[in-house]
Amino acid sequence: GESVGLHLPTLSVQEGDNSIINCAYSNSASDYFIWYKQESGKGPQFIIDIRSNMDKRQGQRVTVLLNKTVKHLSLQIAATQPGDSAVYFCAENTAGRRALTFGSGTRLQVQP
Amino acid sequence: NAGVTQTPKFRVLKTGQSMTLLCAQDMNHEYMYWYRQDPGMGLRLIHYSVGEGTTAKGEVPDGYNVSRLKKQNFLLGLESAAPSQTSVYFCASGGGAKTQYFGPGTRLLVL
Repeated sequence: GESVGLHLPTLSVQEGDNSIINCAYSNSASDYFIWYKQESGKGPQFIIDIRSNMDKRQGQRVTVLLNKTVKHLSLQIAATQPGDSAVYFCAENTAGRRALTFGSGTRLQVQP
Repeated sequence: NAGVTQTPKFRVLKTGQSMTLLCAQDMNHEYMYWYRQDPGMGLRLIHYSVGEGTTAKGEVPDGYNVSRLKKQNFLLGLESAAPSQTSVYFCASGGGAKTQYFGPGTRLLVL
């Protein structure tokens, strides 16, 4: 069946370092991917998305990389700050489906 | 522009009681969703709607009902609450099935 999963449940990084959060997906027909950030006690917040016709997309301090060959998605956060501490979810959608499929999440802990 | 709002923020129910959670969005979105999130877990889709007057089942619909009488509102009902329904409930809306915008959540405790 379809699944969207994450390799590491918890990632701990030093402030100022770069963070990389990974996500694997199994549906080769997935054509849209999105990353959310969820801070403690809050709802998920949109970070960045990418369509399957792209390999890379950059935002402010964040970059999403898509490798369709191995069905892998990553979120890179440059110069990680304490405010980046949160749980990060990836999600995917396939054309014709009316809902996103979410992964289980990775907790990012930023050490001062 | 408030985005997606949820009412109430927190509620305690006894087993067997009923309640309705309200979600409102002011972005004129066609799609609306209800999710539940258990501690340390991801989001599981309960029900969703692709337009006013329409509803559809998600991954975990049992024990819940929904209604979308107005485009801006999506109601989630629990007819007879059970302890297994203790969770945080999130509503989301979107212009389509891709980018979704989430509300702040409702924490529900069923005793």
